[in-house]
Amino acid sequence: QSVLTQPPSVSAAPGQKVTISCSVSSSNIGNNFVSWYRQLPGTAPKLLIYENNKRPSGIPDRFSGSKSGTSATLGITGLQTGDEADYYCGTWDSSLNLWVFGGGTKLTVL
Amino acid sequence: EVQLVQSGAEVKKPGESLRISCKGSGYSFTSYWISWVRQMPGKGLEWMGRIDPSDSYTNYSPSFQGHVTISADKSISTAYLEWSSLKASDTAMYYCARLYCSGGRCYEFDYWGQGTLVTVSS
Repeated sequence: QSVLTQPPSVSAAPGQKVTISCSVSSSNIGNNFVSWYRQLPGTAPKLLIYENNKRPSGIPDRFSGSKSGTSATLGITGLQTGDEADYYCGTWDSSLNLWVFGGGTKLTVL
Repeated sequence: EVQLVQSGAEVKKPGESLRISCKGSGYSFTSYWISWVRQMPGKGLEWMGRIDPSDSYTNYSPSFQGHVTISADKSISTAYLEWSSLKASDTAMYYCARLYCSGGRCYEFDYWGQGTLVTVSS
């Protein structure tokens, strides 16, 4: 059972905004940074957001991240059909010394 | 350019052994941890474990401890994931990824390999 809880699916129309939540259930990881990954169909995951709200070089500012308390959120504006993918949050469990991923959220752009 | 290049797809029978590889280039291989991540068909990402290539220190997810072995050869900038006796349930895509860690914490996977599909079937 994942200690990072994501909604299984979200959907929105092209051009709209969507948010994906990542709820942290363990105090071991609540103080650590959250990162987000996008996995397009048939491809490897790719880093979208790191340290809660930072974008790697090449990631457009349509993508944003935030964290408040025990919940992190990925926001995507100006949705495009090419954004259809699975999105995963992840963080480090300092007590158990292991990485945890959320269960993933499938984004559908209607 | 940072790259992680994994070995090709494998088809094996139950009980056989297997080692897959992940070669890093474009950066100092010993400066970052390497992790392995499993993705079973139609499922999410599962962290298997990590290795520090500078000294080959490893730690594993309890779910995978004892079932796989992670190793590295820093002289050729390559990490490995190994099974001694495969099961049908090991059928999955396996990704290596570069993991940034500092001060006892890890922060993000900033580069990923292309994945190695392992199929175990009699």
